Amino acid sequence: AQKITQTQPGMFVQEKEAVTLDCTYDTSDQSYGLFWYKQPSSGEMIFLIYQGSYDEQNATEGRYSLNFQKARKSANLVISASQLGDSAMYFCAMREGQVAGGFKTIFGAGTRLFVKA
Amino acid sequence: DTAVSQTPKYLVTQMGNDKSIKCEQNLGHDTMYWYKQDSKKFLKIMFSYNNKELIINETVPNRFSPKSPDKAHLNLHINSLELGDSAVYFCASSLLAGGSGEQYFGPGTRLTVT
Repeated sequence: AQKITQTQPGMFVQEKEAVTLDCTYDTSDQSYGLFWYKQPSSGEMIFLIYQGSYDEQNATEGRYSLNFQKARKSANLVISASQLGDSAMYFCAMREGQVAGGFKTIFGAGTRLFVKA
Repeated sequence: DTAVSQTPKYLVTQMGNDKSIKCEQNLGHDTMYWYKQDSKKFLKIMFSYNNKELIINETVPNRFSPKSPDKAHLNLHINSLELGDSAVYFCASSLLAGGSGEQYFGPGTRLTVT
């Protein structure tokens, strides 16, 4: 069974510092996708970054980068130069193979990030 | 312009009632989803439709019935509401083929059953 594990329920980081949010996954598929989403206190879910299982380079989107270590089955999110607005819940997710013509995406339990001024 | 919209944003109702949540996306996506987020923020997929066809149906009570009149709309009807149905329900959409398949979420509907 597929599984996403986020071991840090809460994290604190000082403003302007970098922070790494951990994510490990478990799959037997060769083709899969990994995502990070942000959920601020306002409640909406915002897509941040994507890494495909065949992508050799780590994905980057502005201040976000995904540290993809395939052999370790980890997909950590790195946020550089943290800002107060980065305080939110962060979800790691995995899209695996195909299910009857569609993809199924599984979400981790989330990590709540607090950015301190 | 809102990409994925849901109505209503808040829904307070009594046990035993029937209610519906509507979702529309204007992104031209072919796949739409319903998720339930519980009080601990755990997000779990309920249903997925591709071009109006049900492709994912997780272990959800049959009191929940999705309906997709066209590929831009996915509604969720809930019969005989129970206290445990209280949660935030998110609609999302994505492209099935091509791209990374990232999902775009609606603002959520907070359902409170009393």
